[in-house]
Amino acid sequence: AQRVTQPEKLLSVFKGAPVELKCNYSYSGSPELFWYVQYSRQRLQLLLRHISRESIKGFTADLNKGETSFHLKKPFAQEEDSAMYYCALPLYGNNRLAFGKGNQVVVIP
Amino acid sequence: SAVISQKPSRDICQRGTSLTIQCQVDSQVTMMFWYRQQPGQSLTLIATANQGSEATYESGFVIDKFPISRPNLTFSTLTVSNMSPEDSSIYLCSVLAGGDYEQYFGPGTRLTVT
Repeated sequence: AQRVTQPEKLLSVFKGAPVELKCNYSYSGSPELFWYVQYSRQRLQLLLRHISRESIKGFTADLNKGETSFHLKKPFAQEEDSAMYYCALPLYGNNRLAFGKGNQVVVIP
Repeated sequence: SAVISQKPSRDICQRGTSLTIQCQVDSQVTMMFWYRQQPGQSLTLIATANQGSEATYESGFVIDKFPISRPNLTFSTLTVSNMSPEDSSIYLCSVLAGGDYEQYFGPGTRLTVT
């Protein structure tokens, strides 16, 4: 079954330090993976998707099929990066998504 | 992109009653989804709202408990029926816009059942 695992619930980092959010997946075939972000008092929004291979707000994520991972990274955390981050992958058929449990990131000034 | 609104933004309801949540989109969209986010939990997909036909429910969710309407391409409702405290959650509407699987989310409806 398709599944996304985000092992760490809370991640605290100092401003300027690197941040890495882990995401492992279970999927038969070649998945398309996403990171969604929810800032305080804002709605959930797409941060990046692996197919676009973009860097958004300094974040990158590389799909590693061998390790079945899609970790999110940023070399220098900023205070505005404090948010809830969700990794997501498609469920088979009809553009549905399954979300991981999420990572709460707190950037300490 | 799409702008999505939900009503109500929050409500406190008594056990055994029902609440209907509305989701309005500013443009026509092919696919709309309803999610539940229980306290401290991730988002769980309840169903896909299909225009002109019955909703498609995920495992563990049934139409009697969560009836859904989708009368047109910009509007959907989710009803939480015969509520119990376990139904206390944030309910989110999302739409498919842009590329495949790219979903835009509404602000959510925070439901508390007493």
